[in-house]
Amino acid sequence: AQSVTQLGSHVSVSEGALVLLRCNYSSSVPPYLFWYVQYPNQGLQLLLKYTSAATLVKGINGFEAEFKKSETSFHLTKPSAHMSDAAEYFCAVTSGYSTLTFGKGTMLLVSP
Amino acid sequence: EAGVAQSPRYKIIEKRQSVAFWCNPISGHATLYWYQQILGQGPKLLIQFQNNGVVDDSQLPKDRFSAERLKGVDSTLKIQPAKLEDSAVYLCASSLDTGAYEQYFGPGTRLTVT
Repeated sequence: AQSVTQLGSHVSVSEGALVLLRCNYSSSVPPYLFWYVQYPNQGLQLLLKYTSAATLVKGINGFEAEFKKSETSFHLTKPSAHMSDAAEYFCAVTSGYSTLTFGKGTMLLVSP
Repeated sequence: EAGVAQSPRYKIIEKRQSVAFWCNPISGHATLYWYQQILGQGPKLLIQFQNNGVVDDSQLPKDRFSAERLKGVDSTLKIQPAKLEDSAVYLCASSLDTGAYEQYFGPGTRLTVT
């Protein structure tokens, strides 16, 4: 079985501040991990994915995430938040043979 | 490259009525997914198709939900009869193949059951 826990349903930052969205996973086999972003009234868009290559993964829009096996974590970061980053972010896990399991999401709020 | 298309975008029905959603995946994508996203939660897989065949429908409430993928391309998801708890956004996604391939999502259909 696999699962994802996203700590914090809402995260608020000021424009220009560091963004840190937390994701912890549970998987009985080596996982593939994803971060998706969802803007209002839109579908999900892939930000980045970890597929057992480099542990530090760079994605679109300046986001990156680091796979830490010892901590079973895959936290998403961005050095400097922009107003346009305000959206809901979902972490997801698959074994590669199973379906994708999503976390409950974290809403990122960016204030001027 | 055209993305995943879904229609309608919004639908309001009364409980016990029926409703159908349509999805056209990205050309060449073998795998098609239907997700249900209830407000405040992450998407939950309802059914996964590989070409014409069903790969996983373990979380599909089969007493009221049905889905088909004709000729391995377009797909429809039907609810009959609808319940209040079916109010959600229904997302369609497609990918080149199963497993760790990137899934591309459509804009979703927001269903409100009154």
